[in-house]
Amino acid sequence: DTGVSQDPRHKITKRGQNVTFRCDPISEHNRLYWYRQTLGQGPEFLTYFQNEAQLEKSRLLSDRFSAERPKGSFSTLEIQRTEQGDSAMYLCASSLARQRARTEAFFGQGTRLTVV
Amino acid sequence: AQKVTQAQTEISVVEKEDVTLDCVYETRDTTYYLFWYKQPPSGELVFLIRRNSFDEQNEISGRYSWNFQKSTSSFNFTITASQVVDSAVYFCALTGGYNKLIFGAGTRLAVHP
Repeated sequence: DTGVSQDPRHKITKRGQNVTFRCDPISEHNRLYWYRQTLGQGPEFLTYFQNEAQLEKSRLLSDRFSAERPKGSFSTLEIQRTEQGDSAMYLCASSLARQRARTEAFFGQGTRLTVV
Repeated sequence: AQKVTQAQTEISVVEKEDVTLDCVYETRDTTYYLFWYKQPPSGELVFLIRRNSFDEQNEISGRYSWNFQKSTSSFNFTITASQVVDSAVYFCALTGGYNKLIFGAGTRLAVHP
């Protein structure tokens, strides 16, 4: 499968625990995005990487959230001291943006986080 | 500020009916892209179409067609002869800075046999 891959698909955690999600983008895609989607809403932008550089973070991304993309390949999103309000679907997307090649964003199937 | 409004929260139709999903957007950018994505129950967002702000031609792809009207800031999506497999949540989106997507709240389409 050469699409965007996210792991795990589902995560249930107790309030106060830390969780980490992984996203493997489509190979050769240089842009990677994280979004959060709550029930009945559209996805909301969290953060964006161009290769390994994190170029933008939304105000939604509190200090408890951190994202990395070492070596410009896979990315991780960590949430520390989870709260019930963090319960949502976390979506990863990747795209290609170069001078002569550009694609739309392709999304993974998401990681559904439930904080109990 | 950039914003996408999908005023229809839920639409229910019977198979073979035509259905139009509305999308209205706000942006101050002169160059931007508009998108439609489909989200079936599995959760993955499936890309349907991208349209850039300079191209106001309508597009048809099989049973799907899109009507982009810059004058009214609308990008509506029509499914002709709907099928049960079209049941999903449909999102309209607009590009913001760094090409991040700004999504509407989505329209849930239920197609009944």
